Amino acid sequence: NAGVTQTPKFQVLKTGQSMTLQCAQDMNHNSMYWYRQDPGMGLRLIYYSASEGTTDKGEVPNGYNVSRLNKREFSLRLESAAPSQTSVYFCASSERDRSEAFFGQGTRLTVV
Amino acid sequence: AQSVSQHNHHVILSEAASLELGCNYSYGGTVNLFWYVQYPGQHLQLLLKYFSGDPLVKGIKGFEAEFIKSKFSFNLRKPSVQWSDTAEYFCAVLFSGGYQKVTFGIGTKLQVIP
Repeated sequence: NAGVTQTPKFQVLKTGQSMTLQCAQDMNHNSMYWYRQDPGMGLRLIYYSASEGTTDKGEVPNGYNVSRLNKREFSLRLESAAPSQTSVYFCASSERDRSEAFFGQGTRLTVV
Repeated sequence: AQSVSQHNHHVILSEAASLELGCNYSYGGTVNLFWYVQYPGQHLQLLLKYFSGDPLVKGIKGFEAEFIKSKFSFNLRKPSVQWSDTAEYFCAVLFSGGYQKVTFGIGTKLQVIP
């Protein structure tokens, strides 16, 4: 039972480089989310997708783009990485908006 | 604006001590409430949740939380902590209304000393 799978687990980027964080869930959930976790700031929502084909901005969307490729997959793209994007990124999914979220293992991203 | 406050950012307890972590939110409407735990190096896991009904909610590993609507609070409790409870604890609130997104508190780091 994989749940929510994120790749990669670790990544180091140079400023200005781009990359895509992948997320897939096998629970047939409708809603998917991308959060970033920073010390002293908790989890902040970057983007979310309430259903396949829809995406919406969260609290801190600047510098990121997302794609809900299908019901299973929700990717997060950094077009031009900046040191301020150094963080731990978590993908999550939930059956619907009003239910608990299941989290992936996280991606630790460092931008130098 | 809707917000979630966790007042204790870092708590240190000895084993067998009782635990209470505070969580308050600012919103007068209907809410769904959650507590998540993050063990060192791991992802967040659900401890317990409240949607409706009995305001005293029991979760996994002996944790419980009480929803007090008049105080806009959802405090997490455990009568006797263990070293294995060392983790970071996040309160989360789903506010009703236009945006069906969960808002997390900044977290409380709990360190249990053997």
